[in-house]
Amino acid sequence: AQKVTQAQTEISVVEKEDVTLDCVYETRDTTYYLFWYKQPPSGELVFLIRRNSFDEQNEISGRYSWNFQKSTSSFNFTITASQVVDSAVYFCALSEADYGQNFVFGPGTRLSVLP
Amino acid sequence: DTEVTQTPKHLVMGMTNKKSLKCEQHMGHRAMYWYKQKAKKPPELMFVYSYEKLSINESVPSRFSPECPNSSLLNLHLHALQPEDSALYLCASSQRIGDRANTGELFFGEGSRLTVL
Repeated sequence: AQKVTQAQTEISVVEKEDVTLDCVYETRDTTYYLFWYKQPPSGELVFLIRRNSFDEQNEISGRYSWNFQKSTSSFNFTITASQVVDSAVYFCALSEADYGQNFVFGPGTRLSVLP
Repeated sequence: DTEVTQTPKHLVMGMTNKKSLKCEQHMGHRAMYWYKQKAKKPPELMFVYSYEKLSINESVPSRFSPECPNSSLLNLHLHALQPEDSALYLCASSQRIGDRANTGELFFGEGSRLTVL
Protein backbone atom coordinates (compact mmCIF):
# COMPACT_ATOMS: atom_id res chain seq x y z
CA ALA A 1 0.00 0.00 0.00
CA GLN A 2 1.16 3.50 -0.69
CA LYS A 3 1.98 5.92 2.09
CA VAL A 4 3.39 9.42 2.40
CA THR A 5 5.07 10.72 5.54
CA GLN A 6 5.85 14.32 6.37
CA ALA A 7 7.60 14.20 9.71
CA GLN A 8 7.52 17.95 10.31
CA THR A 9 4.11 18.99 11.56
CA GLU A 10 4.92 22.69 11.92
CA ILE A 11 7.92 24.82 11.03
CA SER A 12 8.53 28.48 11.84
CA VAL A 13 11.25 30.52 10.19
CA VAL A 14 12.10 34.16 9.94
CA GLU A 15 11.76 35.84 6.59
CA LYS A 16 14.73 35.34 4.22
CA GLU A 17 15.75 32.08 5.88
CA ASP A 18 15.93 28.93 3.79
CA VAL A 19 13.64 26.06 4.80
CA THR A 20 13.39 22.43 3.72
CA LEU A 21 10.21 20.40 3.98
CA ASP A 22 10.72 16.65 4.14
CA CYS A 23 8.67 13.99 2.38
CA VAL A 24 9.19 10.24 2.51
CA TYR A 25 7.01 7.86 0.55
CA GLU A 26 6.30 4.15 0.29
CA THR A 27 5.10 2.34 -2.80
CA ARG A 28 5.49 -1.07 -4.42
CA ASP A 29 4.94 0.27 -7.91
CA THR A 30 7.84 1.07 -10.18
CA THR A 31 5.84 3.75 -11.95
CA TYR A 32 4.48 6.55 -9.83
CA TYR A 33 4.19 10.31 -9.55
CA LEU A 34 5.11 12.57 -6.68
CA PHE A 35 3.60 16.00 -6.08
CA TRP A 36 3.81 19.00 -3.84
CA TYR A 37 0.77 21.17 -3.16
CA LYS A 38 0.48 24.41 -1.24
CA GLN A 39 -2.67 25.23 0.73
CA PRO A 40 -2.89 28.86 1.82
CA PRO A 41 -5.52 29.99 4.34
CA SER A 42 -7.99 30.53 1.48
CA GLY A 43 -8.29 26.74 1.23
CA GLU A 44 -7.44 26.03 -2.40
CA LEU A 45 -4.76 23.42 -3.01
CA VAL A 46 -2.23 24.92 -5.40
CA PHE A 47 -0.18 22.55 -7.51
CA LEU A 48 3.57 23.21 -7.28
CA ILE A 49 5.35 20.31 -8.95
CA ARG A 50 4.99 16.80 -10.37
CA ARG A 51 7.83 14.34 -10.66
CA ASN A 52 7.62 10.87 -12.19
CA SER A 53 9.52 7.92 -10.83
CA PHE A 54 11.87 7.69 -13.80
CA ASP A 55 13.10 11.23 -13.57
CA GLU A 56 15.41 11.83 -10.64
CA GLN A 57 16.65 15.13 -11.90
CA ASN A 58 16.33 17.83 -9.30
CA GLU A 59 14.33 20.87 -10.25
CA ILE A 60 14.53 24.54 -9.46
CA SER A 61 11.78 27.06 -10.04
CA GLY A 62 12.62 30.50 -8.75
CA ARG A 63 12.99 30.26 -4.99
CA TYR A 64 11.65 26.69 -4.96
CA SER A 65 13.72 23.58 -5.47
CA TRP A 66 13.02 19.87 -5.16
CA ASN A 67 15.36 17.00 -4.37
CA PHE A 68 14.10 13.58 -5.46
CA GLN A 69 16.11 10.58 -4.25
CA LYS A 70 14.72 7.14 -5.04
CA SER A 71 17.42 5.46 -2.95
CA THR A 72 15.92 6.97 0.19
CA SER A 73 12.33 7.31 -1.11
CA SER A 74 12.40 11.00 -0.43
CA PHE A 75 11.13 14.04 -2.28
CA ASN A 76 12.16 17.09 -0.30
CA PHE A 77 11.15 20.67 -1.00
CA THR A 78 13.33 23.70 -0.26
CA ILE A 79 12.25 27.32 -0.22
CA THR A 80 15.15 29.73 -0.49
CA ALA A 81 14.92 33.21 1.02
CA SER A 82 11.46 32.54 2.43
CA GLN A 83 8.78 35.22 2.38
CA VAL A 84 5.69 35.82 4.49
CA VAL A 85 3.52 34.82 1.51
CA ASP A 86 5.05 31.34 1.69
CA SER A 87 3.14 30.75 4.92
CA ALA A 88 0.79 27.86 4.22
CA VAL A 89 0.31 24.15 4.69
CA TYR A 90 2.35 22.11 2.25
CA PHE A 91 1.29 18.62 1.22
CA CYS A 92 3.38 15.98 -0.45
CA ALA A 93 1.36 13.43 -2.42
CA LEU A 94 1.83 10.17 -4.31
CA SER A 95 -0.07 8.74 -7.26
CA GLU A 96 0.68 5.17 -8.30
CA ALA A 97 0.96 3.77 -11.82
CA ASP A 98 -1.52 4.95 -14.39
CA TYR A 99 -4.47 5.63 -12.17
CA GLY A 100 -4.82 9.17 -10.92
CA GLN A 101 -7.48 8.25 -8.45
CA ASN A 102 -4.93 6.52 -6.20
CA PHE A 103 -3.79 9.91 -4.98
CA VAL A 104 -2.53 9.81 -1.41
CA PHE A 105 -1.63 12.92 0.55
CA GLY A 106 0.85 13.16 3.37
CA PRO A 107 -0.32 14.75 6.63
CA GLY A 108 1.04 18.16 5.66
CA THR A 109 3.58 20.59 7.10
CA ARG A 110 2.41 23.97 8.33
CA LEU A 111 5.01 26.61 7.48
CA SER A 112 4.94 29.96 9.20
CA VAL A 113 7.27 32.63 7.88
CA LEU A 114 7.62 35.46 10.35
CA PRO A 115 8.50 39.00 9.29
CA ASP B 1 -7.64 32.31 -10.41
CA THR B 2 -8.52 28.66 -10.09
CA GLU B 3 -9.96 26.93 -13.14
CA VAL B 4 -12.14 24.74 -10.95
CA THR B 5 -15.06 26.70 -9.55
CA GLN B 6 -16.99 25.61 -6.49
CA THR B 7 -20.21 27.03 -5.09
CA PRO B 8 -21.17 27.97 -2.51
CA LYS B 9 -17.98 28.95 -0.72
CA HIS B 10 -19.71 28.67 2.65
CA LEU B 11 -22.78 26.68 3.64
CA VAL B 12 -24.52 26.32 6.98
CA MET B 13 -27.23 23.70 7.24
CA GLY B 14 -29.29 21.89 9.80
CA MET B 15 -29.34 18.15 10.14
CA THR B 16 -32.69 17.85 8.39
CA ASN B 17 -31.85 20.10 5.44
CA LYS B 18 -31.14 19.08 1.86
CA LYS B 19 -28.48 21.06 0.06
CA SER B 20 -26.04 20.64 -2.81
CA LEU B 21 -22.46 21.58 -3.51
CA LYS B 22 -21.54 22.37 -7.10
CA CYS B 23 -18.29 22.15 -9.02
CA GLU B 24 -17.48 23.19 -12.56
CA GLN B 25 -14.37 22.95 -14.73
CA HIS B 26 -13.77 23.94 -18.34
CA MET B 27 -10.35 22.41 -18.89
CA GLY B 28 -11.71 19.43 -20.81
CA HIS B 29 -10.80 17.10 -17.97
CA ARG B 30 -12.62 13.77 -17.92
CA ALA B 31 -11.99 12.83 -14.29
CA MET B 32 -13.52 14.69 -11.36
CA TYR B 33 -13.17 14.15 -7.65
CA TRP B 34 -14.70 15.03 -4.31
CA TYR B 35 -12.43 15.29 -1.28
CA LYS B 36 -13.29 16.02 2.33
CA GLN B 37 -10.83 17.89 4.52
CA LYS B 38 -11.14 18.29 8.27
CA ALA B 39 -9.16 20.96 10.11
CA LYS B 40 -5.42 20.26 10.27
CA LYS B 41 -5.79 17.07 8.25
CA PRO B 42 -4.97 16.18 4.65
CA PRO B 43 -7.76 15.83 2.09
CA GLU B 44 -9.50 12.45 2.06
CA LEU B 45 -10.89 11.04 -1.14
CA MET B 46 -14.66 10.53 -1.25
CA PHE B 47 -15.66 9.93 -4.87
CA VAL B 48 -14.10 9.76 -8.33
CA TYR B 49 -15.94 10.12 -11.62
CA SER B 50 -14.28 9.03 -14.83
CA TYR B 51 -16.01 9.89 -18.10
CA GLU B 52 -19.13 10.82 -16.11
CA LYS B 53 -19.33 7.42 -14.46
CA LEU B 54 -18.71 6.81 -10.78
CA SER B 55 -15.48 4.84 -10.56
CA ILE B 56 -14.63 5.11 -6.88
CA ASN B 57 -16.76 5.47 -3.77
CA GLU B 58 -14.53 5.36 -0.69
CA SER B 59 -17.23 3.87 1.55
CA VAL B 60 -18.90 7.23 1.95
CA PRO B 61 -22.23 7.27 3.86
CA SER B 62 -25.33 7.48 1.70
CA ARG B 63 -26.22 10.89 3.13
CA PHE B 64 -23.64 12.11 0.58
CA SER B 65 -24.84 11.55 -2.98
CA PRO B 66 -22.62 12.54 -5.91
CA GLU B 67 -23.84 13.35 -9.39
CA CYS B 68 -21.98 14.09 -12.61
CA PRO B 69 -24.48 15.56 -15.13
CA ASN B 70 -21.78 16.08 -17.75
CA SER B 71 -18.04 16.17 -18.10
CA SER B 72 -17.81 19.74 -16.79
CA LEU B 73 -20.09 19.53 -13.78
CA LEU B 74 -19.97 17.66 -10.52
CA ASN B 75 -22.50 17.92 -7.72
CA LEU B 76 -22.58 16.62 -4.18
CA HIS B 77 -26.07 16.30 -2.73
CA LEU B 78 -26.30 16.49 1.04
CA HIS B 79 -29.12 15.16 3.16
CA ALA B 80 -29.52 14.40 6.86
CA LEU B 81 -25.94 15.30 7.65
CA GLN B 82 -24.37 15.08 11.08
CA PRO B 83 -22.32 17.79 12.85
CA GLU B 84 -19.19 15.67 12.33
CA ASP B 85 -19.68 16.13 8.57
CA SER B 86 -18.66 19.77 8.98
CA ALA B 87 -15.52 20.19 6.87
CA LEU B 88 -14.03 21.75 3.77
CA TYR B 89 -15.23 19.92 0.66
CA LEU B 90 -12.83 20.14 -2.23
CA CYS B 91 -13.54 19.38 -5.85
CA ALA B 92 -10.73 18.47 -8.23
CA SER B 93 -10.28 17.43 -11.82
CA SER B 94 -7.58 15.75 -13.87
CA GLN B 95 -7.02 15.03 -17.54
CA ARG B 96 -8.16 11.42 -17.56
CA ILE B 97 -7.50 8.25 -15.70
CA GLY B 98 -7.04 4.69 -16.80
CA ASP B 99 -4.48 5.24 -19.49
CA ARG B 100 -0.77 5.93 -19.63
CA ALA B 101 -1.24 9.50 -20.79
CA ASN B 102 -2.58 10.53 -17.41
CA THR B 103 -0.30 12.84 -15.53
CA GLY B 104 -2.07 12.26 -12.26
CA GLU B 105 -2.01 15.97 -11.54
CA LEU B 106 -5.13 17.24 -9.82
CA PHE B 107 -6.47 20.75 -10.14
CA PHE B 108 -8.44 21.86 -7.10
CA GLY B 109 -11.13 24.40 -6.48
CA GLU B 110 -11.15 26.67 -3.44
CA GLY B 111 -13.56 24.41 -1.64
CA SER B 112 -16.93 24.73 0.02
CA ARG B 113 -16.77 25.13 3.78
CA LEU B 114 -19.71 23.27 5.27
CA THR B 115 -21.04 23.69 8.80
CA VAL B 116 -23.74 21.33 10.04
CA LEU B 117 -25.64 22.53 13.09
